[in-house]
Amino acid sequence: AQKVTQAQTEISVVEKEDVTLDCVYETRDTTYYLFWYKQPPSGELVFLIRRNSFDEQNEISGRYSWNFQKSTSSFNFTITASQVVDSAVYFCALSEATSGSRLTFGEGTQLTVNP
Amino acid sequence: DAGITQSPRHKVTETGTPVTLRCHQTENHRYMYWYRQDPGHGLRLIHYSYGVKDTDKGEVSDGYSVSRSKTEDFLLTLESATSSQTSVYFCAISEQGGLRQNIQYFGAGTRLSVL
Repeated sequence: AQKVTQAQTEISVVEKEDVTLDCVYETRDTTYYLFWYKQPPSGELVFLIRRNSFDEQNEISGRYSWNFQKSTSSFNFTITASQVVDSAVYFCALSEATSGSRLTFGEGTQLTVNP
Repeated sequence: DAGITQSPRHKVTETGTPVTLRCHQTENHRYMYWYRQDPGHGLRLIHYSYGVKDTDKGEVSDGYSVSRSKTEDFLLTLESATSSQTSVYFCAISEQGGLRQNIQYFGAGTRLSVL
């Protein structure tokens, strides 16, 4: 069965600090997809990134970067020079190719960026 | 933004009453999903649909039923609401193929309180 663990329930940083959100996953499939979503205080869920299991290249998008390591079953998310607007709950999620696109979410990490 | 509308956005009901939540999409996506979000659990899949009249159960389907008679509408019904079904409900959609395959886009959510 697939499982996603986000061990950090809450993180608090001061603006301009770098912060890394951890995500560890479990799956028996060789083909799967990993995702990060952001849920700001307004409550909507915003898609950030999708990575498939065959692509271990790290990705950078502005202040956001993602480190995918199959050897440790991790897909960590780093925010560089954090800003108050980054305050949100961040969810890591997994979809197995055999599961019909169903997502399994981690419990989320509440990130608070203080001015 | 993906064209997903959830209605109602807020609802208060009493234990034992039936409740129907509606998800409407304008993207013509094949897959639709219902999740519930509860503190400490992230998002959990209730039911999903892979086409008109084609539905399947998720991990927390007890007490819920769904129907999809048109591509654009996916209904979630609580036959007899219980207090344990107090939650925030999210609808999501995804494409079958293409560059955005497996990426789920979410509606704004419905906050349901069962008293």
